[in-house]
Amino acid sequence: GENVGLHLPTLSVQEGDNSIINCAYSNSASDYFIWYKQESGKGPQFIIDIRSNMDKRQGQRVTVLLNKTVKHLSLQIAATQPGDSAVYFCAENIWSSASKIIFGSGTRLSIRP
Amino acid sequence: GAVVSQHPSRVICKSGTSVKIECRSLDFQATTMFWYRQFPKQSLMLMATSNEGSKATYEQGVEKDKFLINHASLTLSTLTVTSAHPEDSSFYICSARDPAGGRETQYFGPGTRLLVL
Repeated sequence: GENVGLHLPTLSVQEGDNSIINCAYSNSASDYFIWYKQESGKGPQFIIDIRSNMDKRQGQRVTVLLNKTVKHLSLQIAATQPGDSAVYFCAENIWSSASKIIFGSGTRLSIRP
Repeated sequence: GAVVSQHPSRVICKSGTSVKIECRSLDFQATTMFWYRQFPKQSLMLMATSNEGSKATYEQGVEKDKFLINHASLTLSTLTVTSAHPEDSSFYICSARDPAGGRETQYFGPGTRLLVL
């Protein structure tokens, strides 16, 4: 669902370790999911996406897992680097009268040197 | 990849004035654009869907008379915040759908920071 009035949780990870960011979505009819990275003062940047007929998709250093049973998404970042520091948002494509992307809750990823 | 621009990148205005923000798709034609608002440390909230040549579709709770949207061409949508007040201060982000990429493909602009004094 839409995130209203909530402050962003923070995940602190040691540089070089793997990061796992989790997200719950609300609409069981959503058929397409996206992870975005947002750096301070900038617009969201596409990272990876997955359709509802899949449960896993891999990109370069990133993997998205989808569990439709519990309506849960996760983003795994391998060998986390300082440049990965940002806020990460999951989003779902909701198709009602028209297609639109709704953002879920975000997580701030902080990298420890 | 596809590029979406916004202008201005930041604007400061006095309370009661109106502010126009432009969103342009630079290398594709977008029949549909979207406007989001983001308050500090919060997620992006969809405000409205901008449809070229027709009226915008507003999300529940968004005042259409306060946030005027015009999508007069396939590469430009504008958001006008009318009679702005300090509580309208926010980060406004647009996105544009690229028809060639499928119905879900949206490219986001860099955002416009609005500060109302």
